[in-house]
Amino acid sequence: DQQVKQNSPSLSVQEGRISILNCDYTNSMFDYFLWYKKYPAEGPTFLISISSIKDKNEDGRFTVFLNKSAKHLSLHIVPSQPGDSAVYFCAAVVRRYGGSQGNLIFGKGTKLSVKP
Amino acid sequence: DVKVTQSSRYLVKRTGEKVFLECVQDMDHENMFWYRQDPGLGLRLIYFSYDVKMKEKGDIPEGYSVSREKKERFSLILESASTNQTSMYLCATLANTDTQYFGPGTRLTVL
Repeated sequence: DQQVKQNSPSLSVQEGRISILNCDYTNSMFDYFLWYKKYPAEGPTFLISISSIKDKNEDGRFTVFLNKSAKHLSLHIVPSQPGDSAVYFCAAVVRRYGGSQGNLIFGKGTKLSVKP
Repeated sequence: DVKVTQSSRYLVKRTGEKVFLECVQDMDHENMFWYRQDPGLGLRLIYFSYDVKMKEKGDIPEGYSVSREKKERFSLILESASTNQTSMYLCATLANTDTQYFGPGTRLTVL
């Protein structure tokens, strides 16, 4: 049973426009979320994160929005660039044994293609 | 900058061989993880370790074991490689901020 879902396997966007990647989760106990970007044959790189006490976090061209009531988060990339073409993974932190440390549960990823 | 290195970028092995994948981090982090990534399946956790000599099973531990003899090194072992273990293997380490940092990955092909 998927606790973190990325329902769009792929997304194609024109250079300069906005890219919106979506992620839904089922567990209301999740309190921290992360987005990773992955190029082929490389490890994922951390992009941006958000705590459940916030509804928005911004870092340059990347903004993550969190809607707790809908259990939904989204990553906005503005403006999109061809170098943004990659697979994007959404992840949620699952606390271990109720403690402070946690593991990550990943969605299946969305492949973003930004066309020049 | 967090640095996570993996012993090989590409590896080809034969069915039944014992395979060792090594991961080293330079940040003195306690927690380390092994994932595999397959198309359409995302990243799935195989094993993790929260301290030296401590290990716990993740979501798909079958066919794998791990070793953590030193804090900076976490090894994934395929006791008898099978073709369904052909995959991209990713090691990660956990920073205090709940953020995991990944190595470059090892693309393993089992023939």
